[in-house]
Amino acid sequence: SQQGEEDPQALSIQEGENATMNCSYKTSINNLQWYRQNSGRGLVHLILIRSNEREKHSGRLRVTLDTSKKSSSLLITASRAADTASYFCATDAGGGSEKLVFGKGTKLTVNP
Amino acid sequence: NAGVTQTPKFQVLKTGQSMTLQCAQDMNHEYMSWYRQDPGMGLRLIHYSVGAGITDQGEVPNGYNVSRSTTEDFPLRLLSAAPSQTSVYFCASSSAGGPNSPLHFGNGTRLTVT
Repeated sequence: SQQGEEDPQALSIQEGENATMNCSYKTSINNLQWYRQNSGRGLVHLILIRSNEREKHSGRLRVTLDTSKKSSSLLITASRAADTASYFCATDAGGGSEKLVFGKGTKLTVNP
Repeated sequence: NAGVTQTPKFQVLKTGQSMTLQCAQDMNHEYMSWYRQDPGMGLRLIHYSVGAGITDQGEVPNGYNVSRSTTEDFPLRLLSAAPSQTSVYFCASSSAGGPNSPLHFGNGTRLTVT
């Protein structure tokens, strides 16, 4: 079964607004990663956050991790039309597994 | 630096045919993996490899074989294609184990089985 589940499944906002996507997972993890996928393309890595980190930033992206709630959020500030994509969280499958398991993703549409 | 290269980009097979999806990376990454992506299902791990000569099963391995004879290449074989294998297939690699470092993805192979 999939480890991560993103919420919401779809999100539509206006340019300039902030977008927040959430990811919940089931078992203890070592790391959590966020990826972006533009239509018809492969996934692109955004941020990796380790289990002992609570927050990480990269440009307009901010990722938080709450291991007590088994959840993470991805915040995109001052969104642009180019941010339109699907966003996925991915975690290890637990128990020292070498597998990286993805959620079903959040489809973000940023309207100009 | 090409990164992860997948061939072909598109393929149509008839039920029962076999084929190999090619994946090559030029980053000297030890870890490589195959995913399939279906509408509404996200990405599901098929097989992965932590180094040459070592492969293991992912979430949905049935109907697929892999081998890893070199660090650079990780082909995925469909022995007898079925319509349920219609999907977009992605190969990915990373310098460390999959969960421990960013994956670099190819652009995918879109497979249709009729």
